Amino acid sequence: KAGVTQTPRYLIKTRGQQVTLSCSPISGHRSVSWYQQTPGQGLQFLFEYFSETQRNKGNFPGRFSGRQFSNSRSEMNVSTLELGDSALYLCASSSLYGTYHSGANVLTFGAGSRLTVL
Amino acid sequence: QKEVEQDPGPLSVPEGAIVSLNCTYSNSAFQYFMWYRQYSRKGPELLMYTYSSGNKEDGRFTAQVDKSSKYISLFIRDSQPSDSATYLCAMSEELLTFGKGITLSVRP
Repeated sequence: KAGVTQTPRYLIKTRGQQVTLSCSPISGHRSVSWYQQTPGQGLQFLFEYFSETQRNKGNFPGRFSGRQFSNSRSEMNVSTLELGDSALYLCASSSLYGTYHSGANVLTFGAGSRLTVL
Repeated sequence: QKEVEQDPGPLSVPEGAIVSLNCTYSNSAFQYFMWYRQYSRKGPELLMYTYSSGNKEDGRFTAQVDKSSKYISLFIRDSQPSDSATYLCAMSEELLTFGKGITLSVRP
């Protein structure tokens, strides 16, 4: 069973540019969550999509947006990049809505997209 | 005060040592408690999961939750170099909140 695939794995952008990151969840998983990971703040929740609808959103500015397609693949976009947006962006998929866990509902993370903003 | 506080690292131990990793939290509504392990250049993977207070054992790993003290721990017995990774505690009522993680290095 293929895991969560994130592309691109590494990218370098300059301030003011925008970036789009892609996530393909595990086949059959309908929930996709996005997290930002930095050494200073750790893992911070960005948003979650389930069946093409945003269900939950973290405390990030409107420059961060996302969407989910009918095949459950998801993209996130960051516009007007700032130096502080440099981070590892992680996507996670699960079979059920909501990021709480039962024994059957496990968040599976991708390897992440490492964004560097110069 | 952040909702979840995790002991800062890094932590370096010799092979075979018992490792204790700890987190405290402030939100008494948290019901689900997890430990994730993250190897370098990889995403986090679920290591242990517990619901409410108590202990859960899985091989060399034991997860402990004390809801009255708002304190969770992960114990690793007979630590191995392959245990070298970043360990993140996480807990949720509905949305997952992660600790910042602690990097563990097990020296051969």
